[in-house]
Amino acid sequence: QSVVTQPTSASGTPGQRVTISCSGGTSNFGSANVQWFQQLPGTAPKLLIYNNNQRPAGVPDRFSGSKSGTSASLAISGLQSEDEADYFCAPWDDRLNTWVFGGGTKLTVL
Amino acid sequence: QVLLVQSGSELKKPGASVKVSCKASGYTFTGYAINWVRQTPGQGLEWMGWIDTNTGNPSYVQAFRGRSVLSSDTSVSTAYLQISSLKAEDTGVYYCVRDGWRDCGRATCLDYWGQGTLVTVSS
Repeated sequence: QSVVTQPTSASGTPGQRVTISCSGGTSNFGSANVQWFQQLPGTAPKLLIYNNNQRPAGVPDRFSGSKSGTSASLAISGLQSEDEADYFCAPWDDRLNTWVFGGGTKLTVL
Repeated sequence: QVLLVQSGSELKKPGASVKVSCKASGYTFTGYAINWVRQTPGQGLEWMGWIDTNTGNPSYVQAFRGRSVLSSDTSVSTAYLQISSLKAEDTGVYYCVRDGWRDCGRATCLDYWGQGTLVTVSS
């Protein structure tokens, strides 16, 4: 059971904007770095966001991240069918000295 | 391009050991640490630890200390994860992951993942 909480599911229609939340405590959101990953079925996770709101090269600007207090959010705008996947947040936990992964949110594009 | 290619699936009996390899290419191996992440149906994604490929110094998360050994061989640009005294609950997919800090503004980022190695522990 993760110390970081995500909704188990989310959904949207093509073109819509969807937000996925990730919440925890001060030990894992007090420091700066939260990462977000996308996992398509049967594949390895892929880095979408690092350092709360930075995108690696090649990740579309439809994906954006933010952090406030003891939570973080991933927003996906202009939703596309290929965005249907599992999304995981991973903040650094200062008390445990580990990356802690959320349980994942399954995004369905209706 | 950066690639991490892992060894194939393993089927092991309880109490046995397994060694998973992760061969890196497309970048300077000693310039980036390698992390290991486990994914299981029950626990989800778990960060196991990391190895400094420049010094060979490993660091383990408490839950994986004792039965896990991280190592690397710079001559073949390969990192290894060995787990001993396997239990059924070790069944899962094990990923090696590069820490791309040099490319992420000196912030840690798990930027390239291997394809995963399925380890099944069953009698």
